[in-house]
Amino acid sequence: GDSVTQTEGQVALSEEDFLTIHCNYSASGYPTLFWYVQYPGEGPQLLFRASRDKEKGSSRGFEATYDKGTTSFHLRKASVQESDSAVYYCALSPYITGNTGKLIFGLGTTLQVQP
Amino acid sequence: ETAVFQTPNYHVTQVGNEVSFNCKQTLGHDTMYWYKQDSKKLLKIMFSYNNKQLIVNETVPRRFSPQSSDKAHLNLRIKSVEPEDSAVYLCASSPDWGRSQYFGPGTRLLVL
Repeated sequence: GDSVTQTEGQVALSEEDFLTIHCNYSASGYPTLFWYVQYPGEGPQLLFRASRDKEKGSSRGFEATYDKGTTSFHLRKASVQESDSAVYYCALSPYITGNTGKLIFGLGTTLQVQP
Repeated sequence: ETAVFQTPNYHVTQVGNEVSFNCKQTLGHDTMYWYKQDSKKLLKIMFSYNNKQLIVNETVPRRFSPQSSDKAHLNLRIKSVEPEDSAVYLCASSPDWGRSQYFGPGTRLLVL
């Protein structure tokens, strides 16, 4: 079945460090890929999405590029801030007829940024 | 700005009791969802509901049932709760299948 793999379970950085969270997916065709962020006590919020090969999504300084060749959608940010501390989820929506609209989430990556 | 509302925020109950959670969205979306987030932060779809078509995830126990009065409301009832039902239940909505989903703040359930 379709799946999403996030390599890092936890990431600890200092402010202004460079962030990479790896996301690889397994799905047929061209699924839509998402990054969500979840702050404590809140529901996940959409960061951005991408639907086509080489499409770049970006928001709030975060970015990721859809790469069908490597089946990846890695999240990057050049300079993290303490306020970026949260749980980050990579997710996909399968591209199939009769799609139920469900999102398949990775296990999440907890980012902690020290001042 | 919150546009998906969930009540209650938190609920504590005993094994075997029935509970019901409410969800309302003011985004005008056609599709709504329920997700379960366990203690390890793992998010899994439970149900999706679009124009009176209910899609049930086959891994959801029968004691769980969604209830919808209109496209803006999707409630979740658990008939007889079990300890493993302790989790955060997240409601979401989207304009259509496969589109970006918007989540509520969640209802945290603790079963003693």
